[in-house]
Amino acid sequence: GESVGLHLPTLSVQEGDNSIINCAYSNSASDYFIWYKQESGKGPQFIIDIRSNMDKRQGQRVTVLLNKTVKHLSLQIAATQPGDSAVYFCAEGRRSNDYKLSFGAGTTVTVRA
Amino acid sequence: KAGVTQTPRYLIKTRGQQVTLSCSPISGHRSVSWYQQTPGQGLQFLFEYFSETQRNKGNFPGRFSGRQFSNSRSEMNVSTLELGDSALYLCASSLAAKTNTGELFFGEGSRLTVL
Repeated sequence: GESVGLHLPTLSVQEGDNSIINCAYSNSASDYFIWYKQESGKGPQFIIDIRSNMDKRQGQRVTVLLNKTVKHLSLQIAATQPGDSAVYFCAEGRRSNDYKLSFGAGTTVTVRA
Repeated sequence: KAGVTQTPRYLIKTRGQQVTLSCSPISGHRSVSWYQQTPGQGLQFLFEYFSETQRNKGNFPGRFSGRQFSNSRSEMNVSTLELGDSALYLCASSLAAKTNTGELFFGEGSRLTVL
């Protein structure tokens, strides 16, 4: 069965607002998590990752938060722009299964002008 | 630096036929993974190759196979096509011999339609 899942399949955000995309996972053995962005007609693009021994990691305009207690992962996008419109996937990996990522179903983010 | 290149980008086949998809990884990347993407199942792992060896395989029937060549280019083959094989097949390459964070660079995919 699926080891990662997203809370909402779609998210509509006003341009300039912050976006929060959530993801739940079930396997305590996950060693790392990754967020990908997929624009229409393109392959997924790496955004940011976080190891299981971390709670937070920041990138350019993005922050990933990991709550291992409730097995929850979130991606926050600051000052959302039209170019952020895409499908966002969370994925998890394990060192014991190092060459395979398990992806969630994806959240479609639409940015309103 | 060229990205991951997949060919063909689009193809249409009929049930029972077989198909071969090709992937050229980013120069210097030796790990190549394949994923199937469908609206209903999302991204599903097919297999991963490194130095011509399959290191991991997903839960797909034996009709799905792959290989990797000495130049790291990879092909996947699906035999006896079924309607349910219609999907976007994504190839991803990685630099690391052992993926610590799973950073993969994806191609744009091969869109297969089975009629």
